[in-house]
Amino acid sequence: DQQVKQNSPSLSVQEGRISILNCDYTNSMFDYFLWYKKYPAEGPTFLISISSIKDKNEDGRFTVFLNKSAKHLSLHIVPSQPGDSAVYFCAASSSTNAGKSTFGDGTTLTVKP
Amino acid sequence: EAGVTQFPSHSVIEKGQTVTLRCDPISGHDNLYWYRRVMGKEIKFLLHFVKESKQDESGMPNNRFLAERTGGTYSTLKVQPAELEDSGVYFCASSQDFFWDEQFFGPGTRLTVL
Repeated sequence: DQQVKQNSPSLSVQEGRISILNCDYTNSMFDYFLWYKKYPAEGPTFLISISSIKDKNEDGRFTVFLNKSAKHLSLHIVPSQPGDSAVYFCAASSSTNAGKSTFGDGTTLTVKP
Repeated sequence: EAGVTQFPSHSVIEKGQTVTLRCDPISGHDNLYWYRRVMGKEIKFLLHFVKESKQDESGMPNNRFLAERTGGTYSTLKVQPAELEDSGVYFCASSQDFFWDEQFFGPGTRLTVL
């Protein structure tokens, strides 16, 4: 059973608008969450993270929101740029097993000029 | 600073053959991870080394997979004998710290088993 789910395989957004990528998890032991961005033929690149003691973390155009009661997190990109077009992976880990990250399937974001 | 490198970038082998993938982590990173992405699905954890020791190998699919990290530097992942379902992209990642530190990924090795 998949513990981290990204239910939208793809998302298309106009340049300048907001992109919202969603992620749901089932394991209550997860207490640290990360977003990675992946371009074709490259490995995932770390984007932003959030600890379960917070409900929001912001870094420039990227903001991650965490709703622990709903076991849901989202990544907001504002404003979206064509260079943001990539596959975005949500990942979760537990402080009891911090070396192991559990990933979702990824969401392909396309930002149209 | 050089990133995580993986070799080869692509490998095409016949079912039943052996393949060895190599990963060179970022210098100084004690933690090394192997992951696999099959058929465009989720990236699945395979195992985690701390230096030369296997910290967690709970994700290794079966005993046809053997990972080593002699000397705590580069790592190899051997698949013997390869099966069709082993096809996918194998990623290696490394991190300096164990705890809540983002991992730096290599570009991956695309393995195709025919």
